[in-house]
Amino acid sequence: GAVVSQHPSWVICKSGTSVKIECRSLDFQATTMFWYRQFPKQSLMLMATSNEGSKATYEQGVEKDKFLINHASLTLSTLTVTSAHPEDSSFYICSASNEQYFGPGTRLTVT
Amino acid sequence: GENVEQHPSTLSVQEGDSAVIKCTYSDSASNYFPWYKQELGKGPQLIIDIRSNVGEKKDQRIAVTLNKTAKHFSLHITETQPEDSAVYFCAAGTGGGADGLTFGKGTHLIIQP
Repeated sequence: GAVVSQHPSWVICKSGTSVKIECRSLDFQATTMFWYRQFPKQSLMLMATSNEGSKATYEQGVEKDKFLINHASLTLSTLTVTSAHPEDSSFYICSASNEQYFGPGTRLTVT
Repeated sequence: GENVEQHPSTLSVQEGDSAVIKCTYSDSASNYFPWYKQELGKGPQLIIDIRSNVGEKKDQRIAVTLNKTAKHFSLHITETQPEDSAVYFCAAGTGGGADGLTFGKGTHLIIQP
């Protein structure tokens, strides 16, 4: 299947700072990528749809000014968590392609 | 919006026995139904998927069935092995997979040796 990578795999940051997470499709081009969030022992929740060359589409209840998404190329989408707070601590996972192959996830801890 | 219900939340079976996980969905427009296996600290791994134009799909020990009329789909794992222990998620989406997915709450599958 298709390979999706994420970087970093884990990150710890202080409250009030911003963190950028990268999602890359390694062996295919993805005009659309998806960003999900997963709290401990819970399911995945779709946050937003990242579209190459255009604005992202956010799910209801997700603050677009807090979770900035950029999809500048057919192989890279980035999620920036701005002014992070402890409640933003979560597992952030991206997916790509019609078969929805997922990346390995990024564990964000905000102290 | 779509709502996906998944049962059971925990399933314990003896090694070698079969395991069945069931999901229902609410949006009749959903036409893509993937199943994922997630191990602790890792991203979900796609194990099998089915689209609404077929009723059943099989890949070695894993099979998925879909009943569009009843809006439910099931994952069947035969001859279970210890390495099958994980959390399994069902999901539903429209656009043949081109749209974001709605996930069930997950099933913790435990294979007893």
